[in-house]
Amino acid sequence: DVKVTQSSRYLVKRTGEKVFLECVQDMDHENMFWYRQDPGLGLRLIYFSYDVKMKEKGDIPEGYSVSREKKERFSLILESASTNQTSMYLCASSSPRGKLFFGSGTQLSVL
Amino acid sequence: GESVGLHLPTLSVQEGDNSIINCAYSNSASDYFIWYKQESGKGPQFIIDIRSNMDKRQGQRVTVLLNKTVKHLSLQIAATQPGDSAVYFCAEIPALNKFYFGSGTKLNVKP
Repeated sequence: DVKVTQSSRYLVKRTGEKVFLECVQDMDHENMFWYRQDPGLGLRLIYFSYDVKMKEKGDIPEGYSVSREKKERFSLILESASTNQTSMYLCASSSPRGKLFFGSGTQLSVL
Repeated sequence: GESVGLHLPTLSVQEGDNSIINCAYSNSASDYFIWYKQESGKGPQFIIDIRSNMDKRQGQRVTVLLNKTVKHLSLQIAATQPGDSAVYFCAEIPALNKFYFGSGTKLNVKP
């Protein structure tokens, strides 16, 4: 089975802090994604990466950056956390046939 | 952008009954669709997928039906159990690594 692992289930941070969300997948997938999920807004794509060191902006990249130094790991960075970044963050990876698999999510609260 | 919608935001069913969750999609060129189940506080879990060259696909207790004529997708759950209580949402994939998600239907299973 595909496993997408997010390092934290819950995080509480203060406004202005730099926040790192880590994600690891074990299926050698080329493509990895970061989404945020908010009530009433569904899943929105922040960034995706189609290869090591390659990235593309999604629909809502403002306030975020990403890092993909190794194929299995995709990190989301909040350079200076703000309260409107309080959300559930979901990492995903996709198989060559396009099947998308999600991690269990990180619920981030920014105070 | 693409539009993937759901007809009913909340569905309540009696344990043992069959459940049907519906989804409308907008892009007639979409050739791949996925249904996900998301339990409270967890990441979305892949349930079943279907490609546009099929109109029906069955899994364990679940069936997905695709009607390309009216751009409609449905998920049928047989003999619904309390463990099926969750939010279900569909994803439309018009191109590789382009995923568009519905906002979800909450399924409540009454004992």
